[in-house]
Amino acid sequence: NAGVTQTPKFQVLKTGQSMTLQCAQDMNHEYMSWYRQDPGMGLRLIHYSVGAGITDQGEVPNGYNVSRSTTEDFPLRLLSAAPSQTSVYFCASTDRQGDYGGYTFGSGTRLTVV
Amino acid sequence: AQSVTQLDSHVSVSEGTPVLLRCNYSSSYSPSLFWYVQHPNKGLQLLLKYTSAATLVKGINGFEAEFKKSETSFHLTKPSAHMSDAAEYFCVVTGGFKTIFGAGTRLFVKA
Repeated sequence: NAGVTQTPKFQVLKTGQSMTLQCAQDMNHEYMSWYRQDPGMGLRLIHYSVGAGITDQGEVPNGYNVSRSTTEDFPLRLLSAAPSQTSVYFCASTDRQGDYGGYTFGSGTRLTVV
Repeated sequence: AQSVTQLDSHVSVSEGTPVLLRCNYSSSYSPSLFWYVQHPNKGLQLLLKYTSAATLVKGINGFEAEFKKSETSFHLTKPSAHMSDAAEYFCVVTGGFKTIFGAGTRLFVKA
């Protein structure tokens, strides 16, 4: 089915470990973004990309890296995991210029850092 | 700068009664506004969107929202709640490349 695919769905990391959350979309969307969701705080933007080779920081970028080598893929890297990064992570994409809220979301990755 | 405030963290209604979820926004741009729904342990699903066309916007599952520029509001309503409407709802504002989510309103529906 067309959409946004996130892997893994669940992950437990030890403090200091690194890992990459994968995100792929097959809708040829130019705009992709990563959010984290924490109780009572809604979704906060980590990083976003307006096209292959172009990325920028969102509200809470510290501790995370991204790259966009292809239109389809937008991985999120945790460099050195910390307990404060325990959260649910969502990847989203849209193809609408000026309509960046009309996203298709992935099903999320639940990350626990111990 | 943009911001969005959902005025209620929790709303409880009885099945068959109206639903009102309140959202106020601010934006330096002419905003696009959205409502999303998230059922437990699921991703977010787009309910409806306002993008400077009609001020009354109809969405899926009987929901609608009215854009009121003078009040900077975009409240979500439904005439009659159903048990399946129990979920968390997010109001979203966009302008330029930035999208800002509200903190969410959890809707409880009592039988």
